[in-house]
Amino acid sequence: NAGVTQTPKFQVLKTGQSMTLQCAQDMNHNSMYWYRQDPGMGLRLIYYSASEGTTDKGEVPNGYNVSRLNKREFSLRLESAAPSQTSVYFCASSEYPGHLSYQPQHFGDGTRLSIL
Amino acid sequence: GENVEQHPSTLSVQEGDSAVIKCTYSDSASNYFPWYKQELGKRPQLIIDIRSNVGEKKDQRIAVTLNKTAKHFSLHITETQPEDSAVYFCAERGNKLVFGAGTILRVKS
Repeated sequence: NAGVTQTPKFQVLKTGQSMTLQCAQDMNHNSMYWYRQDPGMGLRLIYYSASEGTTDKGEVPNGYNVSRLNKREFSLRLESAAPSQTSVYFCASSEYPGHLSYQPQHFGDGTRLSIL
Repeated sequence: GENVEQHPSTLSVQEGDSAVIKCTYSDSASNYFPWYKQELGKRPQLIIDIRSNVGEKKDQRIAVTLNKTAKHFSLHITETQPEDSAVYFCAERGNKLVFGAGTILRVKS
């Protein structure tokens, strides 16, 4: 049981390049999330998908797009990467959306992304 | 909007001492308060959580207390060990989970 799997683990991009971060969960969870983690700022929500077929903006959505491909997969796309998007990106999932349950979020191992 | 303040940002304790990390929140509708531990280079992992209808919860050396009136909650680690060294994040949930900025805990042996 892998839980939440993210690919790739590391990536270096040049400014202006595009990139898609992949996330898949095998826990049959309904809700999935993308966070970025920067030093001293904790985890900030970029986008989330409360259920298959829905996506919503989080705290810091600018410069990103997402696709909930199916119940298992939730991808994050950077259309034109900028140095300010250098960060560690975490995908997470939970059984139900936050306002419907007390289920915790389960995180993947993260993607370390550097934009030069 | 929802906001969580976490203090202190860094905390150093001697092995065997206790450590306390405090968080305050602004959303009176928040009803779930998890704590995550993140070791260097690894994923955040849930260590304990508490619901709004409970004042305190313990799990071995870890405890969390909640004061809904004052809108603050705290993580207590007793008999700290070197393997407790990590970054700890509090979070609160109304419609979405909002994280504090984190506390770097160093346990000196």
